[in-house]
Amino acid sequence: EIVLTQSPATLSLSPGERATLSCRASQGIANFLAWYQQKPGQAPRLLINDASNRATGIPARFSGSGSGTDFTLTISSLEPEDSAVYYCQHRGNWPRTFGRGTKVEI
Amino acid sequence: EVHLVESGGGFVQPGGSLRLSCAASGFIFSNYAMTWVRQAPGKGLEWVSSISGGSASSYYADSVRGRFTISRDNSKNTLHLQMNSLGVEDTAVYYCAKGGYDNGFDPWGQGTLVTVSS
Repeated sequence: EIVLTQSPATLSLSPGERATLSCRASQGIANFLAWYQQKPGQAPRLLINDASNRATGIPARFSGSGSGTDFTLTISSLEPEDSAVYYCQHRGNWPRTFGRGTKVEI
Repeated sequence: EVHLVESGGGFVQPGGSLRLSCAASGFIFSNYAMTWVRQAPGKGLEWVSSISGGSASSYYADSVRGRFTISRDNSKNTLHLQMNSLGVEDTAVYYCAKGGYDNGFDPWGQGTLVTVSS
C-alpha cells in the first residue's frame, strides 16, 4: 500500500499570502495524484487531477506540481473561502489511498 | 450537470447489514467507474471500493474486503454498496463519487451517514 504523507498538518496564513502544501508518496506514482478540498459539512471537491491539471471550474490561484514521490499544491493568493482541509490521493495502484490532510486556516 | 445522491444510511447494531445506494444522473453512467469513499466522524478520507463501468472489475480496501460488496445497475444508473458484518469501526459518512480508475473522484455525492452501535 502506498502511503501519502502530507505536511504541514496545519497552515495558518493571512488573506493574500501564498500557501504551499506538500504530499510525499512512499513509492513512485508518476503523476497519478489528485488534490481535494473539503470544507466543514461538505463533500470533498476535486481541485487537481494528474498532479497538475486543474479540474473544471477551479480558480487559477490553485496549482499543482510534482511527479514521482514529491508533490505540491500551491494557492497563490489566499482568499477567505479557501479555509478548508486539503487531501492528496493517488491512483498509482490498488488500493487507492489518501493523505491525512492539511488544514488551511485563514 | 452530474448529480449523485446517496441513500440507505442509518443506525445498525454490530454484526448487522446495510445496503447503500447512489443514484446518478447527468452523464452516461455505464461509461464510468464509480467509487465509494468513507469518512469517520472527525477523521480523514478512506477509499473503500471502486468498480469499473461494465462491472468487469472491482477493488476493495483491506478493511472491508470480504464484508462489503460493490455493484452497479447500469439500466437504473445506480451504484450499490452491500455492507455485512458491520462493526463500530465502520461508522462513517459514505460518499459515492464518479471515477476512480483513470482519473480522480469527481464529483462526489453529499454522503449518507452509517452509524454502527449497540
